[in-house]
Amino acid sequence: QVQLKESGPGLVQPSETLSLTCTVSGFSLTSNSVHWVRQPPGKGLEWMGIIRSGGSTDYNSALKSRLSISRDTSKSQVFLKMNSLQTEDTAIYYCTRRNYWGQGVMVTVSS
Amino acid sequence: DIQMTQSPSFLSASVGDRVTINCKASQNINKYLDWYQQKLGEAPKLLIYNTNSLHTAIPSRFSGSGSGTDFTLTISSLQPEDVATYFCFQHNSGYTFGAGTKLELK
Repeated sequence: QVQLKESGPGLVQPSETLSLTCTVSGFSLTSNSVHWVRQPPGKGLEWMGIIRSGGSTDYNSALKSRLSISRDTSKSQVFLKMNSLQTEDTAIYYCTRRNYWGQGVMVTVSS
Repeated sequence: DIQMTQSPSFLSASVGDRVTINCKASQNINKYLDWYQQKLGEAPKLLIYNTNSLHTAIPSRFSGSGSGTDFTLTISSLQPEDVATYFCFQHNSGYTFGAGTKLELK
């Protein structure tokens, strides 16, 4: 069945770079797009970016200068990298195919 | 960027009530509007895609309607398990979530 699972560090220092991995199963990344979405504690959902089936990417204009999404289709993994992290980047980070979501990973930005 | 204005922000209703939640896009998004349900401590779950298509295993009391810039999620008869926050999401031009509607039981 379709599954997505996020992994990465729970704690990141301010000004450092966040690296997250989304490992998928039950479908091919060459046939499906994967989005990254985040949710600060107690707040709404923010769309961050997408990597499409063909490998093209698109980013939230507010995050574009700091964000990069890539993938390794042979490993069924999608990667998120975001630099210059600040406390306001503290959130649950989800990867999603729109119709299926990962469980999310909580990332706290703190020294 | 397309903005999504969702209303109301908060809604209190009784079991059996008909509930409607609205989303208004800042420009035409055709039919490309999804609705998600998020229960406390869980990941969002797709309810409706492309305005009015019910996702797999979603109860038929949920329905979606609209076109262009104005869209509605309707719960025909509210059940206790429907307590959640609901989000709209446009994917016509870029991608944008609404701010959410928190639904509680009266």
